[in-house]
Amino acid sequence: GENVEQHPSTLSVQEGDSAVIKCTYSDSASNYFPWYKQELGKRPQLIIDIRSNVGEKKDQRIAVTLNKTAKHFSLHITETQPEDSAVYFCALRPIYNQGGKLIFGQGTELSVKP
Amino acid sequence: GAVVSQHPSRVICKSGTSVKIECRSLDFQATTMFWYRQFPKQSLMLMATSNEGSKATYEQGVEKDKFLINHASLTLSTLTVTSAHPEDSSFYICSATGTGGPSSYNEQFFGPGTRLTVL
Repeated sequence: GENVEQHPSTLSVQEGDSAVIKCTYSDSASNYFPWYKQELGKRPQLIIDIRSNVGEKKDQRIAVTLNKTAKHFSLHITETQPEDSAVYFCALRPIYNQGGKLIFGQGTELSVKP
Repeated sequence: GAVVSQHPSRVICKSGTSVKIECRSLDFQATTMFWYRQFPKQSLMLMATSNEGSKATYEQGVEKDKFLINHASLTLSTLTVTSAHPEDSSFYICSATGTGGPSSYNEQFFGPGTRLTVL
């Protein structure tokens, strides 16, 4: 089945720096790639997503890039702030998945130091 | 975005009892709901996919007789942990997608989660 590898597992940056989280996958038959932010004890919140027909998408300080040939997609956060500290999960939806279930990466714990 | 609620938010029970968790879509019709469990500092593990009016599809390794899922209406799905034991203690989260809802790409909207502690 489909597998998603997420790196790094932890990431510590200084406030104002950029943070990049990368996910690689094995099955090219995937068409939807969302990123979620989860604060401690809270629900995952969708922060940005990208479809397979687009290579890059940006929303203010957050951007996602997708390289279908290399089978990886990345989350970029610029001008990081302490409130960006959380666990971030990448996910994807394989085309063959009836019902639309998502496959999640292992998560990255981002810490932004003031 | 769409709103998904979960109840209760936290439950503590004795070993051997059953616990029911409700997941509701408040402002859209959820044709599909998903149930996840999450251990501390780990990712979301999909347990089952639930479609309204039909039996749930369980992921490999998830005991369907232990984790009973019912999706009787377009706004409600329930997860019952039967004969709970301490190893069932976890954070259980539901999510929902719906046709004609806030997203045309079947975005998953998550509930706030239920913290289950089995003593």
